[in-house]
Amino acid sequence: KAGVTQTPRYLIKTRGQQVTLSCSPISGHRSVSWYQQTPGQGLQFLFEYFSETQRNKGNFPGRFSGRQFSNSRSEMNVSTLELGDSALYLCASRAGTEFNQPQHFGDGTRLSIL
Amino acid sequence: GEDVEQSLFLSVREGDSSVINCTYTDSSSTYLYWYKQEPGAGLQLLTYIFSNMDMKQDQRLTVLLNKKDKHLSLRIADTQTGDSAIYFCAESIDFNKFYFGSGTKLNVKP
Repeated sequence: KAGVTQTPRYLIKTRGQQVTLSCSPISGHRSVSWYQQTPGQGLQFLFEYFSETQRNKGNFPGRFSGRQFSNSRSEMNVSTLELGDSALYLCASRAGTEFNQPQHFGDGTRLSIL
Repeated sequence: GEDVEQSLFLSVREGDSSVINCTYTDSSSTYLYWYKQEPGAGLQLLTYIFSNMDMKQDQRLTVLLNKKDKHLSLRIADTQTGDSAIYFCAESIDFNKFYFGSGTKLNVKP
């Protein structure tokens, strides 16, 4: 089975721009979560989608948004980029939201803001 | 349920055992997880334990859970240089919320 695929692997943007990151979950997985990883803050939860609906949301400003398509692929969008948005963005998928469904992570998208 | 604490660094010699510790605060945790992150990669799920278990063994990995003290540990037997990575402990609350520790960087010296 192919793992979680995130594209692109690396991105360089400037302040004020917007960016869209993509995540393809493991085949058959319907839940996709997004995390931001930085050296100072560690791994912070952004949001989770299940069956095209946002189920949970972390404490991030409205500039961070996401969506999920009917094939479970997900995109994350960040508008009006700030220097502090530089981070590794990780996507994780799991089969469902039942009790023994661990998350499986992709290799992330490294976003650098100049 | 958001405080998951880990020590930042651990250094061991190849062939020794490594023990990585984690404490959490939410007693309603359902599952506890250990992930490994190598440079430039995402988090790889190593193992997980249900909160009503005390111990789980999987080849060189042993997970111990002390629910009373809210303490979780990961023991790696016969540590190899390829085990050098950052190890994250995580808890899930009500199956739907996941909280991660800040990670422990394991350095294995040859």
